Amino acid sequence: QVQLVQSGAEVKKPGASVKVSCKASGYTFTSYDINWVRQATGQGLEWMGWMNPNSGNTGYAQKFQGRVTMTRNTSISTAYMELSSLRSEDTAVYYCARETRRGYFDYWGQGTLVTVSS
Amino acid sequence: DIQMTQSPSSLSASVGDRVTITCRASQGISNYLAWYQQKPGKVPKLLIYAASTLQSGVPSRFSGSGSGTDFTLTISSLQPEDVATYYCQKYNSALTFGPGTKVDIK
Repeated sequence: QVQLVQSGAEVKKPGASVKVSCKASGYTFTSYDINWVRQATGQGLEWMGWMNPNSGNTGYAQKFQGRVTMTRNTSISTAYMELSSLRSEDTAVYYCARETRRGYFDYWGQGTLVTVSS
Repeated sequence: DIQMTQSPSSLSASVGDRVTITCRASQGISNYLAWYQQKPGKVPKLLIYAASTLQSGVPSRFSGSGSGTDFTLTISSLQPEDVATYYCQKYNSALTFGPGTKVDIK
């Protein structure tokens, strides 16, 4: 069965960076784009960007351009999302999600809580 | 950029009621519209894609309709397990979620 398993919770200081991993199993990792979505406590879903695990091509939401980097390691079927210059407003649960060939998300990771606090 | 709005932002209905949630795009998006359900403390779950196609395993009391700019998600008979926030998402170009509609039991 398809699974996306994310790394554990992180606590970071303002100005630092965080790197969240998303390990895929149950399907061919390079066949589906991985997207990242975040959700602040009590707030809605915010799309951050996508990555094609086969080519490494990426596309980022304008809000995160210059601060987010999405990468992958195909040998271990793992996608990564790194967010830099963290501020308190980046405190949120970060999700990875598999994008179907049509564009919507059919499987989600369990989420990773990133807390930014001095 | 195309903006997505949802109405109402929250609603409270009785078990067995018919519930309708509206999602509107600021420009036409054909049928590139999905609906997700997020129960409290849980991961979002895909309910409907292509505006009206039910994802495998989703109860048939859920249905979707619409095309272009106006879309609806209908729960034909609200059940206690349907308490959740529902999000629409456009996926024809830059992905965007609607702000969500919180559904409670009266």
